[in-house]
Amino acid sequence: DAKTTQPNSMESNEEEPVHLPCNHSTISGTDYIHWYRQLPSQGPEYVIHGLTSNVNNRMASLAIAEDRKSSTLILHRATLRDAAVYYCILSPSSGGSNYKLTFGKGTLLTVNP
Amino acid sequence: GAVVSQHPSWVICKSGTSVKIECRSLDFQATTMFWYRQFPKQSLMLMATSNEGSKATYEQGVEKDKFLINHASLTLSTLTVTSAHPEDSSFYICSAAKLRGGSDTQYFGPGTRLTVL
Repeated sequence: DAKTTQPNSMESNEEEPVHLPCNHSTISGTDYIHWYRQLPSQGPEYVIHGLTSNVNNRMASLAIAEDRKSSTLILHRATLRDAAVYYCILSPSSGGSNYKLTFGKGTLLTVNP
Repeated sequence: GAVVSQHPSWVICKSGTSVKIECRSLDFQATTMFWYRQFPKQSLMLMATSNEGSKATYEQGVEKDKFLINHASLTLSTLTVTSAHPEDSSFYICSAAKLRGGSDTQYFGPGTRLTVL
């Protein structure tokens, strides 16, 4: 499985933007980049995903490097409820028999009031 | 996003008993459901993948006779931990997805905390 590298932890202040980096230098041409987050004692929550182009949704933005070897999850205005572990995950197309999500250690985001 | 529920949210049982955990996709029909396990301060580990009406595919190192998975319908999958022991105490999380080929999203349940005494 293609692996990702994320910082163990990051800290942010409330109402400020947060940029969460992810390196995936061994990404294959058909791997999608997914971001999930997990609040304490809860199941993961989908945040955003992309393939090549930058993506925006109501929760966040995903900036993908031109060579696709790295990406950045952007939370435009952090709130206390954004404090969670953020996982950057690569997955092949869901149509293949090898489709699955492999969770790494993720980045623990702390948001200061 | 889609809603996935799990029941129970927590369970305490005696060593040697069996425990069943239900996972339901409430507002969509899931072609595939996944079962994960998460130990304290660790990441999620995929245990098995199940498709409706088919036998589950277990990850390496997961005992299929101990962790029985039934996926009887497009909205329900169950995980039965048979003859549970204290080392099976963990946070069990399911997810559901409608896999159509491409970038389909997995929607996760809230998890079930299992404590085996």
